[in-house]
Amino acid sequence: ILNVEQSPQSLHVQEGDSTNFTCSFPSSNFYALHWYRWETAKSPEALFVMTLNGDEKKKGRISATLNTKEGYSYLYIKGSQPEDSATYLCALNTDKLIFGTGTRLQVFP
Amino acid sequence: DVKVTQSSRYLVKRTGEKVFLECVQDMDHENMFWYRQDPGLGLRLIYFSYDVKMKEKGDIPEGYSVSREKKERFSLILESASTNQTSMYLCASSLGTAGEQFFGPGTRLTVL
Repeated sequence: ILNVEQSPQSLHVQEGDSTNFTCSFPSSNFYALHWYRWETAKSPEALFVMTLNGDEKKKGRISATLNTKEGYSYLYIKGSQPEDSATYLCALNTDKLIFGTGTRLQVFP
Repeated sequence: DVKVTQSSRYLVKRTGEKVFLECVQDMDHENMFWYRQDPGLGLRLIYFSYDVKMKEKGDIPEGYSVSREKKERFSLILESASTNQTSMYLCASSLGTAGEQFFGPGTRLTVL
């Protein structure tokens, strides 16, 4: 089974800090890499779907990059806010999604 | 907007009971999925379905079965619930193989 790893497991930052976390995977043989945001008591919701090496996506203060050759994706949050507190999941799409264990982000005011 | 609904947010059952978890999506998606989420383990795929009456085992199908009689509905069945099936269960649907998956709100099942 393909192993998708995320680090760190959890992160505590102060409001206004910028932060980033990593998703790493061993294979370049996949359709896409997905990032999801999962807030407590809500459904996971898609942030980005990335397909190409060098892909960069941005949505407001959140952006992501993909490096398929070296097998990683970074998610960046600029100027973290308390409402960014959530678990961020990445998933490799190989014909089904293989999820990492997530990075739990807590932003303190 | 895609909407995926699950029949219950919280469920408490006893060991040995038969449990049905229902999932309905309203966007005519072909693909539907059942996952469980446990602390430190991430989302793990139990079963999925590419079409009506079709089902495929995921990574952890033991102790579960599924039913897809209509395109919009995908049911997860625990034939005889056990305490190690206490978990958060998430249903998802997608249009294509590589497409974004849309998730339901989850059912937190406790088996006593």
